[in-house]
Amino acid sequence: DAGVIQSPRHEVTEMGQEVTLRCKPISGHDYLFWYRQTMMRGLELLIYFNNNVPIDDSGMPEDRFSAKMPNASFSTLKIQPSEPRDSAVYFCASSSSGTGWTDTQYFGPGTRLTVL
Amino acid sequence: GNSVTQMEGPVTLSEEAFLTINCTYTATGYPSLFWYVQYPGEGLQLLLKATKADDKGSNKGFEATYRKETTSFHLEKGSVQVSDSAVYFCALSEGAQKLVFGQGTRLTINP
Repeated sequence: DAGVIQSPRHEVTEMGQEVTLRCKPISGHDYLFWYRQTMMRGLELLIYFNNNVPIDDSGMPEDRFSAKMPNASFSTLKIQPSEPRDSAVYFCASSSSGTGWTDTQYFGPGTRLTVL
Repeated sequence: GNSVTQMEGPVTLSEEAFLTINCTYTATGYPSLFWYVQYPGEGLQLLLKATKADDKGSNKGFEATYRKETTSFHLEKGSVQVSDSAVYFCALSEGAQKLVFGQGTRLTINP
């Protein structure tokens, strides 16, 4: 398996622009997580999905952030409008509630977002 | 709510030194416990896990034992290498696949 795939790996944009981050989870995984990592706040869970349905979005910082999962193999995290304080590394992770190593999350390589 | 506390970093050691990174947790019930590692420029990777009290997780020379009586899951390695330089995260499962992470401990190993 290719693992969790994220795109783009790096994104530089200007304040006020819309940013869309993309994630393809591991095939067969039924949970998908979006995290944000900064030096100041560490690793924060933004939102997670189960079977494409959002379960907990309490970590989404504000209405400028939205996430969707239209099918089992694709999710997006959108920021509109972006602000410099959104600069961070955004990780997507997936896991399976099936047999085997349940609870283990598999992380993608991350998208480094810089908002100027 | 559930939480994980790790020893503050950064931690700097010489090659072949003994490593301990402390991790304690607060949780209701009996969570699974994890150590994840993040190498520079990469996402987090599972290093080891333990699912019940007294279980020992081990991988790549690292070990951690689930201690229910002290609510701890300390990470140890007998002889570290330069390639072990990374950020280490302790975590617990809250059920429904959700993990709660500690703040991370940056480890640097000097040759």
